[in-house]
Formats: sequence, structure tokens, C-alpha cells
Amino acid sequence: DGGITQSPKYLFRKEGQNVTLSCEQNLNHDAMYWYRQDPGQGLRLIYYSQIVNDFQKGDIAEGYSVSREKKESFPLTVTSAQKNPTAFYLCASALYPLEVGTEAFFGQGTRLTVV
Amino acid sequence: GESVGLHLPTLSVQEGDNSIINCAYSNSASDYFIWYKQESGKGPQFIIDIRSNMDKRQGQRVTVLLNKTVKHLSLQIAATQPGDSAVYFCAESRGAGNMLTFGGGTRLMVKP
Repeated sequence: DGGITQSPKYLFRKEGQNVTLSCEQNLNHDAMYWYRQDPGQGLRLIYYSQIVNDFQKGDIAEGYSVSREKKESFPLTVTSAQKNPTAFYLCASALYPLEVGTEAFFGQGTRLTVV
Repeated sequence: GESVGLHLPTLSVQEGDNSIINCAYSNSASDYFIWYKQESGKGPQFIIDIRSNMDKRQGQRVTVLLNKTVKHLSLQIAATQPGDSAVYFCAESRGAGNMLTFGGGTRLMVKP
């Protein structure tokens, strides 16, 4: 089935460790996005990518890094520089440019907890 | 800064009534808007979208209205059902690179 897959669903990290969240899509979408969601809050954009080997910072990129080596993959690394990484992370993909009828699809999220 | 926001954090409606969820945006350059529904612990689910050259768009039981004069977006849900209970977000596409940003969300609670 076509879709967007995030893994793992739950992730625990010790303080000071880097951790990478996976996002894969087989929808042939050009654009991919990473968002962070804190409890009871909205989605805040971390990074987005329009095309392979290119990505832009969103509103809260500090402490995060991404790569886009393949069209179908957009992994997010939460580095030790991110002081409050515990959150729900959501990945999305969409055709570029966004148009009526070309919706952005979301994965089911990864819940990251620092222990 | 420029942002997308919502007027009401929580909306409670009776089952069978119509619901209206509102959203204000401040970036007049935004040209594409989307409504999403998010259930607890899940990723957002697309509901309906609209471009800035449109005033209204209808889907199944849902209608999105766009008022560019006052920079206001609304989602109307007809005959609200218990399954509609969720958090609803509006999002806007802005910038040359299709940057997609979200508002703070409104929780819809449907009373039986």
C-alpha cells in the first residue's frame, strides 16, 4: 500500500545522545516535512525539503539535523544540542507545489522521550 | 511574526448540530490553506483544502470558507457526529518553497 511510514513509534533516549527518526514514503512525493508537537499544542515546523539533496530550516531547527539523499527518505536527527527533545514528531510528504487536490499526508508519528 | 491562529481552543457541540471552527491568518501572501483533523496519539488527517483564488469549497459534510478581506478561514461540519471529536488544525502554505505552517488547534467535543 502507498503511504508514509515513521519508525519507531516510541523511542527513548538518554540525555546527551543523538537519535535518528526514520521517515519513508512511497508516494513519489517531492516535498517532505518534519514537525514537532508538544502536549496540547500545535505543530511546529522543524525542517522541510522540496527536492533531493536540498532542505530548508523551519521555525525551530536548532538542535536538529536532516538529510535528503533519496526522494523517499527524510531522516531527522535529534542532537544533544536540543535541550528539550521530549515530544511527538510528525513527518509529512506532498507533491510540489501544494495545490488543491494534492494533499500533504502525515505519518503516524514517533514519540520521543528523554530518560 | 506572521502566523496562523485560531479563535477558540475548545468547541463543544451537540450531536447532530453543525460545527464551525475558525482560523485567522496574518500572512496575505499565503495562497493555499488546509484543514486537518487529529485524533489523540495519531498523525493529522487531511480534511479539505482551498486556494486563495476561491471563496468556498465543499466536501462530504464539510465546507471551508475563505474570507481574504479579513484573513479568515472557517471549517463547517454538518450534522456533527461523535466521531468528529478531535483537534482541528488549519495550515497555510507560504513562501516560495511550499513551507507548510500550522495554527494552534481547536478541540471539538461532541456531546451525545
